[in-house]
Amino acid sequence: KAGVTQTPRYLIKTRGQQVTLSCSPISGHRSVSWYQQTPGQGLQFLFEYFSETQRNKGNFPGRFSGRQFSNSRSEMNVSTLELGDSALYLCASSLALIGGGWTGELFFGEGSRLTVL
Amino acid sequence: EDKVVQSPLSLVVHEGDTVTLNCSYEVTNFRSLLWYKQEKKAPTFLFMLTSSGIEKKSGRLSSILDKKELFSILNITATQTGDSAVYLCAVIGGNEKLTFGTGTRLTIIP
Repeated sequence: KAGVTQTPRYLIKTRGQQVTLSCSPISGHRSVSWYQQTPGQGLQFLFEYFSETQRNKGNFPGRFSGRQFSNSRSEMNVSTLELGDSALYLCASSLALIGGGWTGELFFGEGSRLTVL
Repeated sequence: EDKVVQSPLSLVVHEGDTVTLNCSYEVTNFRSLLWYKQEKKAPTFLFMLTSSGIEKKSGRLSSILDKKELFSILNITATQTGDSAVYLCAVIGGNEKLTFGTGTRLTIIP
């Protein structure tokens, strides 16, 4: 069974640009959640999508957005990049929505390492 | 705002030692607490705890939750070099958002 696939694995952008990251969940998983990981802040929840609908959102500015397609693949977009957006962006999939009736098991991808210059 | 604090921030022990990692939390309408292991980039699930006093165990790893004192511990006995990783604690409250601690970096010296 294929794991969670994130692309691209590494990318370098300059301030003011925008970036789109992609996540393909494990087959059959309908929930996709996104996280930002930085050395200072640790792992922070960005948002969760389930059946093409955003079900929950973390405390990030509106420059961070996402969407989910009918095949459960998800993308996240960051516009007007800032230096502080440099981070590892992790995507995770699960069978159920986080919280209700959930086993706790998230399957993470290897992440997309974004560097903003 | 939900909050998770892990201690120690880092720990270095010799192979064969037993370690205890701590996680304290503040969360509105607590639902569950989770432990993950992050070796390189992708965290992997260890345990989910929802009830106080019930130990979860998997091999040399075990964890317990105290909902009265708002903390959890993760124990690893007879440590091996493969246990070297960052261990992440997270909680879910009524808002159904995962809040992670900054992790404990565990290094096992052969």
